[in-house]
Amino acid sequence: TQLLEQSPQFLSIQEGENLTVYCNSSSVFSSLQWYRQEPGEGPVLLVTVVTGGEVKKLKRLTFQFGDARKDSSLHITAAQPGDTGLYLCAGRGNTGKLIFGQGTTLQVKP
Amino acid sequence: NAGVTQTPKFQVLKTGQSMTLQCAQDMNHEYMSWYRQDPGMGLRLIHYSVGAGITDQGEVPNGYNVSRSTTEDFPLRLLSAAPSQTSVYFCASSYSVWRRVELFFGEGSRLTVL
Repeated sequence: TQLLEQSPQFLSIQEGENLTVYCNSSSVFSSLQWYRQEPGEGPVLLVTVVTGGEVKKLKRLTFQFGDARKDSSLHITAAQPGDTGLYLCAGRGNTGKLIFGQGTTLQVKP
Repeated sequence: NAGVTQTPKFQVLKTGQSMTLQCAQDMNHEYMSWYRQDPGMGLRLIHYSVGAGITDQGEVPNGYNVSRSTTEDFPLRLLSAAPSQTSVYFCASSYSVWRRVELFFGEGSRLTVL
């Protein structure tokens, strides 16, 4: 069974701080996605990474896929209250199905 | 654009009752799936379908049935509700299961089983 573990599970920071969320597995994934979910809504895709070592930037968010395609990280620079939400990583395993991590709840205080 | 529409948004059931959660998408996606979301456990796949007439089990299929008679609709049936099925259920669709494409989610259906 392929599993994805996210850390930390909860993060509460002040506006302007930087943070990193990690998504780790012992399995190799063909691609990895990051989603953000706000209360009362479904997750929305932020990014897809497919190549080992790939780095993608989305404004203040930087996503990295590990060289061995077993892990990924999300770094937010100068966090803002609008970044508050649940961040989920999801890997496409060898069966093609999308497997989700347990999520990281981020709270950014003004 | 409607996207993925789920109904109902909220439902309270008694143990042993049955019900159907509806899911419809208007994007002509071939892949549809149902997830449940519980605190600290992320999203777990219940059932999925790669096209009309084709369904398969995910990680946690027990107690749930699905069917896919049309491309647009993918209902989830709870045969005899149990308190362990209290959760938020999400329907999601994408163009293809094999391509690295975006999964579009509905707004969720919050189910409480007493």
